[in-house]
Amino acid sequence: DAGVIQSPRHEVTEMGQEVTLRCKPISGHNSLFWYRQTMMRGLELLIYFNNNVPIDDSGMPEDRFSAKMPNASFSTLKIQPSEPRDSAVYFCASSQTGAGNQPQHFGDGTRLSIL
Amino acid sequence: EDQVTQSPEALRLQEGESSSLNCSYTVSGLRGLFWYRQDPGKGPEFLFTLYSAGEEKEKERLKATLTKKESFLHITAPKPEDSATYLCAVPPYNFNKFYFGSGTKLNVKP
Repeated sequence: DAGVIQSPRHEVTEMGQEVTLRCKPISGHNSLFWYRQTMMRGLELLIYFNNNVPIDDSGMPEDRFSAKMPNASFSTLKIQPSEPRDSAVYFCASSQTGAGNQPQHFGDGTRLSIL
Repeated sequence: EDQVTQSPEALRLQEGESSSLNCSYTVSGLRGLFWYRQDPGKGPEFLFTLYSAGEEKEKERLKATLTKKESFLHITAPKPEDSATYLCAVPPYNFNKFYFGSGTKLNVKP
């Protein structure tokens, strides 16, 4: 079975540019999560969707970050304009339900470097 | 305040030297505790879910146990390929998101 698919795997861009990260969740999973991982702060939840609807975006750092889930098989995380402090690994995860008692399955992440 | 704490931060073992990793939590109304393994350059890989105190799960050289306040990941006779960062995660009672611990970085030397 295909796991969570993220693209691109690596992104290097200059400060001020728009960055778009993409995620395809596991087929049949109803919940999708975006995380950011850094050495200093570990894994931080940015936003999660249930049945394509954003449920909790309290982890989104600021208005420069936005996320969409136009359908059950695709989500994007956008940063505009990007800043060097946004450099991190961004993970997408999905789970069967949003009940909280189901495991989340992660993609291999996008390593983002903002110069 | 809900918290998940893992210890130790790092652990170096010789091949075959058994040990345990700890995950303690203060989340009320536990709905499950999840263990993950993360290799460099990869996303966390799901290992186990434990739902109630006294429950145990095993996979190869790994065994996870759960009490009302903490979980242990026991590693028996580890091999170098067990080297990774091990993360635990807990969903608080009234939210569907996970609180992740900071992880234990395990290094098994041949």
